[in-house]
Amino acid sequence: DQQVKQNSPSLSVQEGRISILNCDYTNSMFDYFLWYKKYPAEGPTFLISISSIKDKNEDGRFTVFLNKSAKHLSLHIVPSQPGDSAVYFCAAKDGANSKLTFGKGITLSVRP
Amino acid sequence: GAGVSQSPSNKVTEKGKDVELRCDPISGHTALYWYRQSLGQGLEFLIYFQGNSAPDKSGLPSDRFSAERTGGSVSTLTIQRTQQEDSAVYLCASSFGPLGRQPQHFGDGTRLSIL
Repeated sequence: DQQVKQNSPSLSVQEGRISILNCDYTNSMFDYFLWYKKYPAEGPTFLISISSIKDKNEDGRFTVFLNKSAKHLSLHIVPSQPGDSAVYFCAAKDGANSKLTFGKGITLSVRP
Repeated sequence: GAGVSQSPSNKVTEKGKDVELRCDPISGHTALYWYRQSLGQGLEFLIYFQGNSAPDKSGLPSDRFSAERTGGSVSTLTIQRTQQEDSAVYLCASSFGPLGRQPQHFGDGTRLSIL
């Protein structure tokens, strides 16, 4: 039973355009959400996070939106750059546990 | 560098053998996590160490898996009598404290292949 779902396995966008990566979750106890970026043969790298008390967090080109009623979050990257091409993982935790629950990831390709 | 270090980076072994995977966390990080990523899957939590507290072993898939953390620093994940389904990338992460607002920092993983 997947508690964090990234239903699209891949996304391709043109350089300079916006990339929107989606994530859905089922566990209403999740209170903190993170996005990680992963290049081949490397470990995931933390990108941005959001607490459940907020609905938006922005860091440079990256913005994460959280819709708690829909149990949905999204990562916006604008403008997209070829170096953003990687696998992006959505992850979540609940207050009672320190472990992260990850989605399966989405492969983003940014075309020059 | 100052990041999480894992060794070996690759390990190929025969079914039935035991393997040990090592993780050196970032200096000063009190929390240490093990995850694994099987082909086409997300990261799956295995075990979590925080300071001197008893580890959270709730993610270990069977009693063939065990882990220890000596001196609050280096950790070793041991898989006994390996099976082909154990083939995966095993990732270690550390954080400054229990993950609330402190993100986990990952090593590059150990790619384990069971023949």
